[in-house]
Amino acid sequence: DIVMTQSPATLSVSPGERITLSCRASQSVSSNLAWYQQRPGQAPRLLIYDTFTRATGIPARFSGSGSGTEFTLTISSLQSEDFAIYYCQQYNNWPLLTFGGGTKVDIK
Amino acid sequence: QLQLQESGPGLVKPSQTLSLTCSVSGGSINSGTFYWNWIRQPAGKGLEWIGRIYTSGSTTYNPSLKSRVTISVDTSKNQFSLKLSSVTAADTAVYYCARDLGFGEWYFEYWGQGTLVTVAS
Repeated sequence: DIVMTQSPATLSVSPGERITLSCRASQSVSSNLAWYQQRPGQAPRLLIYDTFTRATGIPARFSGSGSGTEFTLTISSLQSEDFAIYYCQQYNNWPLLTFGGGTKVDIK
Repeated sequence: QLQLQESGPGLVKPSQTLSLTCSVSGGSINSGTFYWNWIRQPAGKGLEWIGRIYTSGSTTYNPSLKSRVTISVDTSKNQFSLKLSSVTAADTAVYYCARDLGFGEWYFEYWGQGTLVTVAS
């Protein structure tokens, strides 16, 4: 199984800051990596797929990068609605799809 | 706009079978080359993919749950279902249904709102 490890577990930041979240795969997942945002009490929302492609309606302040085993999600200027938990997911190791443990972004 | 909605009992006794249904609206479950998935999330924890089904009936399950999981589809009702047998407290979670994009794009664009299932006597 491919294990997805996200860091940090929690990130305390102020609105307007630029942040970078990390996701590491235990073996290469090529570019088959997605990111989700989950607000309290809501289902996850797809942000990024294929490592760097923004999903429909996702603001340009969200960007993804990386390949192989190391990936990042960057939010260029954090807005109040961005305080949430972020998950990465690999879909290279079909048929077992796996998620990272999440990074919580909260207000400093 | 495609919408998914989970339904089923919110409380299941230990050793019994958890049964949930996902109703799809705003589109046909038969259209396209999509897989229909179940994902769960214990309170305060991360996401675990349970398994998926294609409208042909072809299924794929998470190996860690495979012995207890059955996913089925009813195209006439535009629904698909999850059965998880021999449940324990560890199966208490919010259960989501979700659709991927198919063709190797196995990420989840559409999600249901989730339904909490508690396993307790």
